[in-house]
Amino acid sequence: GQNIDQPTEMTATEGAIVQINCTYQTSGFNGLFWYQQHAGEAPTFLSYNVLDGLEEKGRFSSFLSRSKGYSYLLLKELQMKDSASYHCAVRPYNQGGKLIFGQGTELSVKP
Amino acid sequence: GAGVSQSPRYKVAKRGQDVALRCDPISGHVSLFWYQQALGQGPEFLTYFQNEAQLDKSGLPSDRFFAERPEGSVSTLKIQRTQQEDSAVYLCASSRTRIGSGNTIYFGEGSWLTVV
Repeated sequence: GQNIDQPTEMTATEGAIVQINCTYQTSGFNGLFWYQQHAGEAPTFLSYNVLDGLEEKGRFSSFLSRSKGYSYLLLKELQMKDSASYHCAVRPYNQGGKLIFGQGTELSVKP
Repeated sequence: GAGVSQSPRYKVAKRGQDVALRCDPISGHVSLFWYQQALGQGPEFLTYFQNEAQLDKSGLPSDRFFAERPEGSVSTLKIQRTQQEDSAVYLCASSRTRIGSGNTIYFGEGSWLTVV
C-alpha cells in the first residue's frame, strides 16, 4: 500500500521561499505529482517527477529521491495568490494510472 | 470542452435520497477518474474508466456507489440511499491517453454534496 505524509499547515511571508516536504512509503510507483488547490476549486497540476532530481518550472521546483521516499515542492518569491493547499500524490505502478494523494498542506502566505 | 465539467456544482440531498453526479471530461480523453474529497483532506480514489470500461472500482466505499461511462465520454456517479458520511466533494478527472508516463490528470471543480 501507500502511505503519504505531508505537514498539515505552513505559514510563510510574501516574497520568501517555502519548502513543502512529502514522504511516502510505497511498494512501487510510476511518478510523483504535486497539485495546487485553492479553496473551492479544482486541483491543478504543478509538477511531475519520475527520476531522482530537481524539476524546475518558473517559481516552482519539485525534487524527488526515490531511495529515500522523499519529495519536496519549493516555492520561490511567494505571492499572496500562492495561499492554497498543496497535494503530493504518487501514481502506483501497474494500477491503471490512478493517483494516491496525501492529505495536503495548507499554505498561508502573509504580507 | 475546454476543461472537465461537472454538474451539479452543489447538491443538498435528504438522507436516503438517491443522487446522480455528472462528469463531462475533456474531449477525446480516454481515461476518467472519480475521487471523493472530504473537508481538509486530499482526494481519495473511487473508480477509473478507460473509455467505457471500468477497470478499477476498488475505492468505491460501498455497494451504494455506482459509476458508469456507457459511451466512453460522459460519466455518471450514482449514490443510492445517501447517508451523512457521503457528504463530500466528488471530483472527476480525465487524462488524454492510457496512463503511461507523465500523462497529466486534469480535474473538474467538483460536485459538492451535502446530505442532511
